[in-house]
Amino acid sequence: LAKTTQPISMDSYEGQEVNITCSHNNIATNDYITWYQQFPSQGPRFIIQGYKTKVTNEVASLFIPADRKSSTLSLPRVSLSDTAVYYCLVGDSNSGNTPLVFGKGTRLSVIA
Amino acid sequence: DTAVSQTPKYLVTQMGNDKSIKCEQNLGHDTMYWYKQDSKKFLKIMFSYNNKELIINETVPNRFSPKSPDKAHLNLHINSLELGDSAVYFCASKQTENTEAFFGQGTRLTVV
Repeated sequence: LAKTTQPISMDSYEGQEVNITCSHNNIATNDYITWYQQFPSQGPRFIIQGYKTKVTNEVASLFIPADRKSSTLSLPRVSLSDTAVYYCLVGDSNSGNTPLVFGKGTRLSVIA
Repeated sequence: DTAVSQTPKYLVTQMGNDKSIKCEQNLGHDTMYWYKQDSKKFLKIMFSYNNKELIINETVPNRFSPKSPDKAHLNLHINSLELGDSAVYFCASKQTENTEAFFGQGTRLTVV
C-alpha cells in the first residue's frame, strides 16, 4: 500500500478556501485516492475519491496531477463545522478485501 | 436507521476480563473492518474480513479475535484485557467493488 504524507495541522478562517495536499510518491497504477473526514467522537466519513484529473461533489473537490504522486483536497468557503481531521488514503480500494489504511491525517481548525 | 451500529458505546472493565463489542451493518456489504484509535488519535486497522478471507494486522495481539456469525455482523472479542487496550474501537463496512466505507459511532473501551 502506498504511503501518504500530509501536513499534521492547518488553520483557516471561516469563509476561506482550504487546500490540503497529500503526497503519495509510490502510488500504484490500480490505486485510487480517497479522502475521509473525522469529527471528534465520531467515525470517519467518506468525502471524495478520484483516480486522475479533477473530481467535484457537493462537499469538496479533488485535484490530481498527471503523475498522480500527490493530490489536493479543496474545501470551498469553510465554516466552523468543517473543523475535523482529514485523511488521505491511497489503495486499490475497489478490488478485493483490501484494508483501508489511514495515516495520521491533517487536523483542520476553522477559526471565526 | 443506522447503517453501521456498534454496541456498547462505552465499556469500562477491569484488567484481565474478557469482553466483546458487537457490530452490525444493514447495508448488505460483504466486507467489514475493525479499527483501533488510541489516545494519539492514530486510526489503526486491526482486521479486514469478508465471507471469504480474513486479513489480520500482524501487530494485533492474538487476545483479539473477530467473530462473524453472518455477513451483517462482525463482533470483536478481547481476552485478558490490558490497560493498553483502552481506546476507541470502530467498526466499518464496505462493498468490495465500491468506494465508500461506512463507519460506526465507535466504542470507547476503558480498562482500569
